[in-house]
Amino acid sequence: NAGVTQTPKFRVLKTGQSMTLLCAQDMNHEYMYWYRQDPGMGLRLIHYSVGEGTTAKGEVPDGYNVSRLKKQNFLLGLESAAPSQTSVYFCASSYRKGLAGDTDTQYFGPGTRLTVL
Amino acid sequence: KQEVTQIPAALSVPEGENLVLNCSFTDSAIYNLQWFRQDPGKGLTSLLLIQSSQREQTSGRLNASLDKSSGRSTLYIAASQPGDSATYLCAVRGNQFYFGTGTSLTVIP
Repeated sequence: NAGVTQTPKFRVLKTGQSMTLLCAQDMNHEYMYWYRQDPGMGLRLIHYSVGEGTTAKGEVPDGYNVSRLKKQNFLLGLESAAPSQTSVYFCASSYRKGLAGDTDTQYFGPGTRLTVL
Repeated sequence: KQEVTQIPAALSVPEGENLVLNCSFTDSAIYNLQWFRQDPGKGLTSLLLIQSSQREQTSGRLNASLDKSSGRSTLYIAASQPGDSATYLCAVRGNQFYFGTGTSLTVIP
């Protein structure tokens, strides 16, 4: 199993450009998440999905859109990039059993380092 | 809004020492708390997850405790090794996940 993979690993954009970050997981997980990590601020949840075809806003959703057309993929889009979106983006997934046990353990991808000039 | 704090921000210890990392949170209405390890330039690796009904979890040299009523968790690392050097983050799950900013640990050989 590859676990959680993210593409691309690095990207430089100019202000106003658009791009899509792809997250894929091969663990048949129901839940998927997009976070951003900034120095001194920890990880903050952007959007998440509790299943195929569903998405929900997290703590910092403005300027981002997401789609979960297939269970294994979760896409994060930036329609008009801004310098404030310079960050490291992490995708994660979890398999929520709903019963006592290994619920909610998150598995993370290696991250995408995005710079917006 | 849930606030998660980790103190200290950085810690340096000699090899072999036992150590404790701290995590505090402001809202005790959580489902679980998770400890992660992050190596430089890498993603996060889950170490331990404690359900809200549990008091502690153990894995090898790691022991995590949870006191939900006081809003605190500790991660105990026994007999530290240079390979333990990394940033350790805690995250609590309420209506969504909230992360602390982490403790950067350096174990000196």
